[in-house]
Amino acid sequence: GQSLEQPSEVTAVEGAIVQINCTYQTSGFYGLSWYQQHDGGAPTFLSYNALDGLEETGRFSSFLSRSDSYGYLLLQELQMKDSASYFCAVKGSGYSTLTFGKGTMLLVSP
Amino acid sequence: DTAVSQTPKYLVTQMGNDKSIKCEQNLGHDTMYWYKQDSKKFLKIMFSYNNKELIINETVPNRFSPKSPDKAHLNLHINSLELGDSAVYFCASSRRDTSGLYTDTQYFGPGTRLTVL
Repeated sequence: GQSLEQPSEVTAVEGAIVQINCTYQTSGFYGLSWYQQHDGGAPTFLSYNALDGLEETGRFSSFLSRSDSYGYLLLQELQMKDSASYFCAVKGSGYSTLTFGKGTMLLVSP
Repeated sequence: DTAVSQTPKYLVTQMGNDKSIKCEQNLGHDTMYWYKQDSKKFLKIMFSYNNKELIINETVPNRFSPKSPDKAHLNLHINSLELGDSAVYFCASSRRDTSGLYTDTQYFGPGTRLTVL
């Protein structure tokens, strides 16, 4: 089976930097994804790490350490529109399945 | 030019009824999914189809029956609806990738909010 742990809620102010951690326990592991979901909306893809290290996409970066079964999403220069839920998800073996964490609600205040 | 579309967006119905949700993707993907998101926002996969073939069938009551008439469509039929079925149901699609080295991004539809009274 697969299980993922991430904080339930994180708060920050505009302009700040926030890191959302994700630890996982899986029977098969191909990669770690991050998805963003605004209230009432659909999850949308942010990033994917299959190899150790940092991937940067604009204000968002994602990190993976396979040996530690750990990853994080780093959001810089926070904006109000970044207030959303963020899900880490593990890609298991075989077909393109994803197991999602329970999500971290990020609240950005002025 | 919607990538993944679902109908209806909202569905309110009585316990015991049968209902269907339709999903279509125009991305040319070969794999489609149904997810259930409960009130605590937990996203759980229900089914996955690859090239019209059922690949994943998680522990879902057999009142739920998916049907894929072709690669671009995946419908979900629910019999004898129960209160606990109230949730948001998301359809998603992706390009199958077993190497793990590519993004394997899943594209989600807008969701169908099902309320069972």
